Amino acid sequence: AQSVAQPEDQVNVAEGNPLTVKCTYSVSGNPYLFWYVQYPNRGLQFLLKYITGDNLVKGSYGFEAEFNKSQTSFHLKKPSALVSDSALYFCAVRDSMNTGFQKLVFGTGTRLLVSP
Amino acid sequence: GAVVSQHPSRVICKSGTSVKIECRSLDFQATTMFWYRQFPKQSLMLMATSNEGSKATYEQGVEKDKFLINHASLTLSTLTVTSAHPEDSSFYICSARAGKVYNEQFFGPGTRLTVL
Repeated sequence: AQSVAQPEDQVNVAEGNPLTVKCTYSVSGNPYLFWYVQYPNRGLQFLLKYITGDNLVKGSYGFEAEFNKSQTSFHLKKPSALVSDSALYFCAVRDSMNTGFQKLVFGTGTRLLVSP
Repeated sequence: GAVVSQHPSRVICKSGTSVKIECRSLDFQATTMFWYRQFPKQSLMLMATSNEGSKATYEQGVEKDKFLINHASLTLSTLTVTSAHPEDSSFYICSARAGKVYNEQFFGPGTRLTVL
């Protein structure tokens, strides 16, 4: 069965500094990987995805993520954090080997807090 | 990106009543829709998946007679919480996906249900 781990409940970073939110995954086949962001009392907003191709994926709001097959990781990064980036971030994976509706499995979420 | 709407955004009801939540894909045809439940400070729990015109597939432990899902068209899915009880109080989020399984899911803004 597919699974996602986000080892950090919270990440604290000062505005202007680079940020990294970690994600590792486990699948049987090839992974389809996604990052979403959630603001308080709101649904999830899509940031970026990796399906195939270039390991470095660029997404919305200046975020990017690097797919590392050997480490089964898909860490989210941003070169310079903004206070407005403070939110809850979810990593998700879909296993290409799964049948049926191809369920998307979410990590437990990482709260990012960017201080001024 | 694509837009998914949910209505209502908040609902308060008495115990024993039924509540219907609507989910609409506004600018694309959603071949598959998903319903999630999110508890405070926790990740999303998939409740059920549905394709247009088909019966929903429920996750283990989710009562299909309590959480009725109808995916009547390619742009509309409804979740009805029947005979609601206080323990059903939660944040319910719908999601929609068009076409291929590696496409991203787009999420609605969520519905906060409070059962008194």
